[in-house]
Amino acid sequence: AQSVAQPEDQVNVAEGNPLTVKCTYSVSGNPYLFWYVQYPNRGLQFLLKYITGDNLVKGSYGFEAEFNKSQTSFHLKKPSALVSDSALYFCAVRVFDAGNMLTFGGGTRLMVKP
Amino acid sequence: GAGVSQSPSNKVTEKGKDVELRCDPISGHTALYWYRQSLGQGLEFLIYFQGNSAPDKSGLPSDRFSAERTGGSVSTLTIQRTQQEDSAVYLCASSPQTSGGTYQETQYFGPGTRLLVL
Repeated sequence: AQSVAQPEDQVNVAEGNPLTVKCTYSVSGNPYLFWYVQYPNRGLQFLLKYITGDNLVKGSYGFEAEFNKSQTSFHLKKPSALVSDSALYFCAVRVFDAGNMLTFGGGTRLMVKP
Repeated sequence: GAGVSQSPSNKVTEKGKDVELRCDPISGHTALYWYRQSLGQGLEFLIYFQGNSAPDKSGLPSDRFSAERTGGSVSTLTIQRTQQEDSAVYLCASSPQTSGGTYQETQYFGPGTRLLVL
């Protein structure tokens, strides 16, 4: 079975500082990894994904994530946080031939303070 | 429309009543998914449709839950005899199928239906 862990329920960062939201996964097989963001009373918005190739993936709104196979991690990063980045972030994994559904982590609330 | 749409946006019902939730996927997307987001359980997969294939119902929590997809487009999730633990946000997503297969494809989510069972 596949699983995703987001070890921090909440991350606090000051505006302008770099941010990291952590994600680790456990799968048998090659993972396809995704990050989504959810603003209040909204659905999930896609940020970026890792399928294959370059381990550093760049996505929307200046976010990026690095796939680290040895550490089974896919941390989300941004060099300079904005107050408007404050939201709930979800990491998700899908494994080839293990069902088409996404398995989500529990979510991390990012709070960016001015 | 450009995105996945869901209706109603909010639904309040009494315990024991049946409810129907609707999802309109992005035009041309062959895959459609239902997920449930609740405080205690996080985001859970419910059911998946791909074209004319038999749906993957492995995530449905009980036989009170069912879903259909008519004409390969609109989908309806039905919850019979609702219980208070069914209160959650029900999210629908769709994705295209390309030569790489659906595993690589991004799922695009609708705004969800917030269900409250009293």
